[in-house]
Amino acid sequence: AQSVTQLGSHVSVSEGALVLLRCNYSSSVPPYLFWYVQYPNQGLQLLLKYTTGATLVKGINGFEAEFKKSETSFHLTKPSAHMSDAAEYFCAVSAGSSASKIIFGSGTRLSIRP
Amino acid sequence: DSGVTQTPKHLITATGQRVTLRCSPRSGDLSVYWYQQSLDQGLQFLIQYYNGEERAKGNILERFSAQQFPDLHSELNLSSLELGDSALYFCASSGKDRHTEAFFGQGTRLTVV
Repeated sequence: AQSVTQLGSHVSVSEGALVLLRCNYSSSVPPYLFWYVQYPNQGLQLLLKYTTGATLVKGINGFEAEFKKSETSFHLTKPSAHMSDAAEYFCAVSAGSSASKIIFGSGTRLSIRP
Repeated sequence: DSGVTQTPKHLITATGQRVTLRCSPRSGDLSVYWYQQSLDQGLQFLIQYYNGEERAKGNILERFSAQQFPDLHSELNLSSLELGDSALYFCASSGKDRHTEAFFGQGTRLTVV
């Protein structure tokens, strides 16, 4: 079975500071990992994804994530936070047989302080 | 624009009633997923259809049902509605490969009064 744990339901950083959102996964097969962002009153939008190959993945809006198999982690980072980054972020895993069911973490709400 | 269309955007109905939510997936996508997002439960996977057949089931109540039609659009039927069913219902679609990300619609906000 697959599962995703996001550490911290709410993260607050100052504008210009480093953003670090933590995600750990559990998977019995090689996982495919995703980060989605949800702005208020909108659907989820893909930020980035890891399938195979390079473990450091770059996404939209300056975000990146690194797949670390030994730590079963896929943390999301951005060097300098912007006010427009305030949103809910979801880590997700897709693995297993033919179901292709994507399992989402519980989400982390990112707040940006001026 | 993700290419996934959900209607209606908002729905207000009374307890005990039945509603139908509609989803049109991206062109070419065979998989449709339904999710429920509420404040206390977070984003919960309900059910997946692939090319008209039920493929996976999550935390879907017996009062809820879904189907995917030959033109690949999907409907989620919610019956005997309760106050606790108030939530955002998202539809997502994805392609054939399992690593293809899901593309989400804007959601239907259901309010049960």
